[in-house]
Amino acid sequence: QSVLTQPPSVSGAPGQRVTISCTGSSSNIGAGYNVHWYQQLPGTAPKLLIYGNNNRPSGVPDRFSGSKSGTSASLAITGLQAEDEADYYCQSYDSSLRGSIFGGGTKLTAL
Amino acid sequence: QVQLQESGPGLVKPSQTLSLTCSVSGGSITNGDYYWSWIRQHPGKGLEWIGYIYYSGTAYYNVSLRSRAVILVDTSTNHFSLKLTSVTAADTAVYYCASVLDAYRNPYFDYWGQGTLVTVSS
Repeated sequence: QSVLTQPPSVSGAPGQRVTISCTGSSSNIGAGYNVHWYQQLPGTAPKLLIYGNNNRPSGVPDRFSGSKSGTSASLAITGLQAEDEADYYCQSYDSSLRGSIFGGGTKLTAL
Repeated sequence: QVQLQESGPGLVKPSQTLSLTCSVSGGSITNGDYYWSWIRQHPGKGLEWIGYIYYSGTAYYNVSLRSRAVILVDTSTNHFSLKLTSVTAADTAVYYCASVLDAYRNPYFDYWGQGTLVTVSS
């Protein structure tokens, strides 16, 4: 069981807005550590999507955005496209475990 | 930009040692901004951080793997490596190497290798 909790799956119609939540605790997100998000397309390696809670690396469309509040974080995708179908993972640092931690991943389906 | 490529045996026998190498190109492994990491993904499952290392040799490990994992860096060849001892079927996974930024405070993985599947079986 992952230290960060994500819903196993979310779905939305093309063009819609979807959000993926990531819930942690007082030793990770709640302690002020940043949340980062990765996109893993089928059969490929994960790719950095959002870093430092709400920053996009060069080349990532502004349809993707991140936010953080308290012990949780969210990834929002607006104008959903079929190519966004992938697994999404949140990641942070945990002071009790003294290491990086990942969420269990969320499978996004474009209906 | 940095590129990473994993290499190593795809099949390891139970109780033996898994050994993988990550070749770094497009940048120097001695770049002080970066740590270098191993991450694995069990079949159909999520991501698990194994550990990361600085070019000086300082390494940090997942507490669950600390007793079996060793990460080394070779600055002369721009490679770093993973050794995982006493493997079992539970170590069957795709192993990724990745570069790490902001490792001291809020580590995140900005570039990833393509991954290599390691199967533990007799």
